Amino acid sequence: GESVGLHLPTLSVQEGDNSIINCAYSNSASDYFIWYKQESGKGPQFIIDIRSNMDKRQGQRVTVLLNKTVKHLSLQIAATQPGDSAVYFCADAGGNAGNMLTFGGGTRLMVKP
Amino acid sequence: GAGVSQSPSNKVTEKGKDVELRCDPISGHTALYWYRQSLGQGLEFLIYFQGNSAPDKSGLPSDRFSAERTGGSVSTLTIQRTQQEDSAVYLCASSLEARGSGANVLTFGAGSRLTVL
Repeated sequence: GESVGLHLPTLSVQEGDNSIINCAYSNSASDYFIWYKQESGKGPQFIIDIRSNMDKRQGQRVTVLLNKTVKHLSLQIAATQPGDSAVYFCADAGGNAGNMLTFGGGTRLMVKP
Repeated sequence: GAGVSQSPSNKVTEKGKDVELRCDPISGHTALYWYRQSLGQGLEFLIYFQGNSAPDKSGLPSDRFSAERTGGSVSTLTIQRTQQEDSAVYLCASSLEARGSGANVLTFGAGSRLTVL
């Protein structure tokens, strides 16, 4: 079966610094990945996605990097702000037909003022 | 609607009682998912509906759990004879694309927090 996991359960960064959240996956057939942000008391919200034919994708202050060789992806947040404090999940949404979204345990990002 | 709506937002019940949780997906979204999130944990898949196809119930933890989706829109998750370990946030999500389409972005509701005493 496929598993998606996160390396660090909690990440604490200073406001203004860059944040890097890591994620590993096990299904080599996975071809589509999504990062979600979940703030306290809310459901997960889509941040950014990436297909396996790319190794980098940029959004507003966020960048996702995909390394298919080691089955690893990361979410980079530039100039982290207090509003970035949340739990971040990566999810695998591709691969075999009928594959379901599988989420890891999440990484809690805490931004210190 | 503009987003995925779930009700109730909070439910406290006694052990052994039945509960119903409701999800109103985004209009036009054919795919609907239920996930469970225990405190401080990730998301556990429960059930998936796609159009008029038979639902994928492979994630339901026991036969006390069931869900239906009427008219391809609103869904109800029912937990019978609730146990304390059922306490969690139950999240509903909908998607325009079918699962496995390769562009499967889910939009989540805020969840229903269930507490079983």
